[in-house]
Amino acid sequence: EAGVAQSPRYKIIEKRQSVAFWCNPISGHATLYWYQQILGQGPKLLIQFQNNGVVDDSQLPKDRFSAERLKGVDSTLKIQPAKLEDSAVYLCASSVVYGAGSPLHFGNGTRLTVT
Amino acid sequence: AQKVTQAQTEISVVEKEDVTLDCVYETRDTTYYLFWYKQPPSGELVFLIRRNSFDEQNEISGRYSWNFQKSTSSFNFTITASQVVDSAVYFCALGTRAQKLVFGQGTRLTINP
Repeated sequence: EAGVAQSPRYKIIEKRQSVAFWCNPISGHATLYWYQQILGQGPKLLIQFQNNGVVDDSQLPKDRFSAERLKGVDSTLKIQPAKLEDSAVYLCASSVVYGAGSPLHFGNGTRLTVT
Repeated sequence: AQKVTQAQTEISVVEKEDVTLDCVYETRDTTYYLFWYKQPPSGELVFLIRRNSFDEQNEISGRYSWNFQKSTSSFNFTITASQVVDSAVYFCALGTRAQKLVFGQGTRLTINP
């Protein structure tokens, strides 16, 4: 089966600019996640969707980050305006079902550098 | 609060040595899941194993084995006869009814030929 697709692979922007990332989950996976992974740390959940509804966005900095999952399939994550501390790898993941025990399937991520 | 601690930041061994990666977790939930993921240089996290809190049986898969001990809140991962291809960052993670998967800081494993 095709894996989780993410684009772009790399992005370099200046602070205060905006940027958007795209994710296409594995076909049939109802749950989609966006994680932020800062260098040397484990991934941190930003937002979780079940179909096209938000399940958890408690750790999403809503003043600058937004995400949507239209039609319950692919998703975009946007940062506007970007700050230096947003430099990180943004990982998208999906799972078949919604639940604590459901393994996640990750994409290769988008490495964002904010200068 | 949920927390996962991987005290070993980096480990370096010579090929064919056995190596154990430690993971200690904290949660007040009685039902939870523990995971190990591998992150090779390509960046994609690869799922290795899942254990639920009611199953303390150890598991072996080829050269990989996992030791789950609720008494010490640990879920350690052992690679036997390590190979260069095992070089990666390994993450332990905890999932609870709150549905949020919490990752440890990761252990960077380097296998030298």
